Amino acid sequence: TQLLEQSPQFLSIQEGENLTVYCNSSSVFSSLQWYRQEPGEGPVLLVTVVTGGEVKKLKRLTFQFGDARKDSSLHITAAQPGDTGLYLCAGARPGGYQKVTFGTGTKLQVIP
Amino acid sequence: DTGVSQDPRHKITKRGQNVTFRCDPISEHNRLYWYRQTLGQGPEFLTYFQNEAQLEKSRLLSDRFSAERPKGSFSTLEIQRTEQGDSAMYLCASSTQGPKEYGYTFGSGTRLTVV
Repeated sequence: TQLLEQSPQFLSIQEGENLTVYCNSSSVFSSLQWYRQEPGEGPVLLVTVVTGGEVKKLKRLTFQFGDARKDSSLHITAAQPGDTGLYLCAGARPGGYQKVTFGTGTKLQVIP
Repeated sequence: DTGVSQDPRHKITKRGQNVTFRCDPISEHNRLYWYRQTLGQGPEFLTYFQNEAQLEKSRLLSDRFSAERPKGSFSTLEIQRTEQGDSAMYLCASSTQGPKEYGYTFGSGTRLTVV
């Protein structure tokens, strides 16, 4: 059972367009992370958000943690072909859990 | 710091054979994780070590799977009597002070194909 559902599953857009990826759950998380993964490689951490309502920016990428800490979004402005990849959200449950649970993933293709 | 290394990168094996994968974490990271990822899906947790102690195992880890981390450094993941359903990418990650705040550093993975 996936605790974190991502939408959309697939996204194909033209270079220069904006997009938003969503990560939703019915569970509360103490922190939420976003990773990007390229084919044949391991995921690479982009950001960690820990406070409800928190917004973090990484160049053209904006990450937001929901007020109730059950959901998150990733917005990319003026997408570039280098943004192509599998975007994964991952949440850490409150308490003594020492691992994170990954979402279902969003596969993004940016066409030049 | 050479990152997390996994070996081999690719492994093709016949059904029923045993396979072993190795992971070398970042040297100062005391926590090591194994995940399994099938095509287009998110990674699924398999097991977690803190130093040499295996502290958690997923129900996904059947009795054909065993993982070790002797001396709290590198780790091995062995799959006995492989089945076609074991075909996946096996990812190793390491972390310091817990992944909640600092996230994981992943290796490039071992792609297993069982034929």
